Amino acid sequence: SAVISQKPSRDICQRGTSLTIQCQVDSQVTMMFWYRQQPGQSLTLIATANQGSEATYESGFVIDKFPISRPNLTFSTLTVSNMSPEDSSIYLCSVVDRRNEKLFFGSGTQLSVL
Amino acid sequence: SQQGEEDPQALSIQEGENATMNCSYKTSINNLQWYRQNSGRGLVHLILIRSNEREKHSGRLRVTLDTSKKSSSLLITASRAADTASYFCATSPPGRRALTFGSGTRLQVQP
Repeated sequence: SAVISQKPSRDICQRGTSLTIQCQVDSQVTMMFWYRQQPGQSLTLIATANQGSEATYESGFVIDKFPISRPNLTFSTLTVSNMSPEDSSIYLCSVVDRRNEKLFFGSGTQLSVL
Repeated sequence: SQQGEEDPQALSIQEGENATMNCSYKTSINNLQWYRQNSGRGLVHLILIRSNEREKHSGRLRVTLDTSKKSSSLLITASRAADTASYFCATSPPGRRALTFGSGTRLQVQP
């Protein structure tokens, strides 16, 4: 199984600022996924980060708000830009194990925007 | 929007009892997976059932899949207080690696 390190684990940010979340995997993976979990809700896919190409965003999410970098096969970042209180959520990165199609998750970033 | 709905939204049982959670989904799938989340943090994979399978077991977990009804159930037998968590089903449509998650069931097991 993949081991995923995600940081920061939590942050409290001011409205209008940006936060970059980092995700490091202990093995090379083709695709990394970024999810958002709003308070008391389920997980919603933000985008798929592909190495060597632009991220693919889901409906309702745009690159200007959630820019993603994927410089290599073990690392990705998600930036939450120009934050508002509505961005307060848990953000999770994940990778899929191609051998068994299971998804492995980082421990999440708890973001609170004041 | 979520791919599927789960019911119940919340379930409270006594230790030793069985817990059953149901999941419905909308589109065709490659597989359906169940995950557990403790305290709103990272999710842990529990079990995967493929679209051509009807039932699968793993320890105290039993999962069924009915593709004609687009539904699945997760049964936890002889529950323990440590099973207290949120449980999510997630589906993988053909040609897509990312999972779409259901709305989740919050399980509380009273000691």
